[in-house]
Amino acid sequence: EAQVTQNPRYLITVTGKKLTVTCSQNMNHEYMSWYRQDPGLGLRQIYYSMNVEVTDKGDVPEGYKVSRKEKRNFPLILESPSPNQTSLYFCASSTLGQPQHFGDGTRLSIL
Amino acid sequence: SQQGEEDPQALSIQEGENATMNCSYKTSINNLQWYRQNSGRGLVHLILIRSNEREKHSGRLRVTLDTSKKSSSLLITASRAADTASYFCATPRGDSSYKLIFGSGTRLLVRP
Repeated sequence: EAQVTQNPRYLITVTGKKLTVTCSQNMNHEYMSWYRQDPGLGLRQIYYSMNVEVTDKGDVPEGYKVSRKEKRNFPLILESPSPNQTSLYFCASSTLGQPQHFGDGTRLSIL
Repeated sequence: SQQGEEDPQALSIQEGENATMNCSYKTSINNLQWYRQNSGRGLVHLILIRSNEREKHSGRLRVTLDTSKKSSSLLITASRAADTASYFCATPRGDSSYKLIFGSGTRLLVRP
């Protein structure tokens, strides 16, 4: 089954404790992206990747890092999380000209 | 910045009625996409309409696109309680076919 898998689905952590949210897709898509969703603000893009070893900033990249060492994986790294990064995060993937496939989301709470 | 803006922000209808949601955007596009999000879940793609299309159907869904007015509408006919969700339009950012800008969404409640 074609899918985008995010882990963990839920995480409560404390300020400053490094965390990684993993994202994996099994559709051989070249494009992957991370979004955060906050009430009233819709989805905002954090980082995206056009292919292996090619990443770029989206609209709200501050406080986040990404890497794309393999085509299927696109982890989101919060080196020093802060409370304003409490949000619902989505990973998505697609291929040229096609709609994006989304994961089920990761709800992060940073205390 | 928001490219697509949905209207209304929230809509409550009775089961069996039709639901219409609108999306306006600012710049020229080559396609517009509609997505649905059930509460707490990921977005699911519904329909992609290209700039040279005026109308597209998929089951009970009908999407129109008016490039002269930079607007699109999503019509759900004979709505069901299971249609309760948030609906988002998304447009490509610039020349990229990959990067999308999402609107804030319309929250649809279908009452049984």
